[in-house]
Amino acid sequence: GAGVSQSPSNKVTEKGKDVELRCDPISGHTALYWYRQSLGQGLEFLIYFQGNSAPDKSGLPSDRFSAERTGGSVSTLTIQRTQQEDSAVYLCASSPQDTQYFGPGTRLLVL
Amino acid sequence: RKEVEQDPGPFNVPEGATVAFNCTYSNSASQSFFWYRQDCRKEPKLLMSVYSSGNEDGRFTAQLNRASQYISLLIRDSKLSDSATYLCVVKGFSGNTPLVFGKGTRLSVIA
Repeated sequence: GAGVSQSPSNKVTEKGKDVELRCDPISGHTALYWYRQSLGQGLEFLIYFQGNSAPDKSGLPSDRFSAERTGGSVSTLTIQRTQQEDSAVYLCASSPQDTQYFGPGTRLLVL
Repeated sequence: RKEVEQDPGPFNVPEGATVAFNCTYSNSASQSFFWYRQDCRKEPKLLMSVYSSGNEDGRFTAQLNRASQYISLLIRDSKLSDSATYLCVVKGFSGNTPLVFGKGTRLSVIA
């Protein structure tokens, strides 16, 4: 069946521009997570959506980062006024309960 | 103390060798434990869950020691295709807490 999909797969942007990353979770999965992974580093938790509950935003590194999940399905992660240190792979995962299924990620490069 | 700690490696082992990774976690209330595998430039994928009684899946054996708060993964008869980064993952007590990922242990199986 269809897995988690993310778009774009790659994004190159200039410092100061806004970017929007999209995640399509597996149908029926109530939980959705965003992580980022810098080169050679571990996964850094960003934000977590569970059903209709208020999202857990505790991992967002600054107020330039925000995320929405519309209709309990698709999610978008927005980074405003991008900085070079935002360059990383942004991974989305969805989960029916505990096990998380990851998308292929969006590689973001901020020049 | 970091929530989930792993030896980053790399572990360089010959084909056919047995290799073991350990992982320690700081939150004694953690309830669920997993090993994920991440290939280079790919997303993490679930390898196996870790149960209190220990569990085995083919050449892979996972064990949990709650008293010492560590998890182990044993790989027998290593294959070249086992080369990857192995992520130790822990989930807290509440159903709504996100998974916490270790930074991973890199394994290279050499012919």
